[in-house]
Amino acid sequence: GESVGLHLPTLSVQEGDNSIINCAYSNSASDYFIWYKQESGKGPQFIIDIRSNMDKRQGQRVTVLLNKTVKHLSLQIAATQPGDSAVYFCAENLGDSSYKLIFGSGTRLLVRP
Amino acid sequence: GAGVSQSPRYKVAKRGQDVALRCDPISGHVSLFWYQQALGQGPEFLTYFQNEAQLDKSGLPSDRFFAERPEGSVSTLKIQRTQQEDSAVYLCASSQGAARGYTFGSGTRLTVV
Repeated sequence: GESVGLHLPTLSVQEGDNSIINCAYSNSASDYFIWYKQESGKGPQFIIDIRSNMDKRQGQRVTVLLNKTVKHLSLQIAATQPGDSAVYFCAENLGDSSYKLIFGSGTRLLVRP
Repeated sequence: GAGVSQSPRYKVAKRGQDVALRCDPISGHVSLFWYQQALGQGPEFLTYFQNEAQLDKSGLPSDRFFAERPEGSVSTLKIQRTQQEDSAVYLCASSQGAARGYTFGSGTRLTVV
């Protein structure tokens, strides 16, 4: 299939290990953040979100951490599986424009079997 | 339908040709968005509709780009006199409200030769 991103930073992990993907966001006024997973040839798929009044949110096998002081987001994936291989994007939502998402540049996750 | 449907899946256009890209949002979704994704990059906002009203077209790169949603459901993104820099994946998303709950389609990959 077609490649989502040929020149993205890549994180390679062993199946079963934990993965941490980082993202720096741009606007201190952003109040809502989303992590998306994008597989080759598909659109972005929602993984987990977090509001700016929270530092941490957990889902199934995923955790998002938000550090507003340094404008940093991270996505932690526990027990990474081959199906987790994809490009991951963070997106921020500006408080004064609640419908528009600003996407980061993405990280490719490769899971070694 | 169950998801956001976009057509065509792929489009090759000769430079100077006009193209029309279609988006069928999830039934009942009020909000519809178009994003452009260059290779190796995150999606970038183009335009936003609430029902049939185009409330924000600030992301459209030039006056060659035009979007419509005349009956508040299906939307068409039209690009006139295509240029090589228009080559990208064009993603459509819909939601019931604002930024929460975006569902993306698989996109149309446009290649201008």
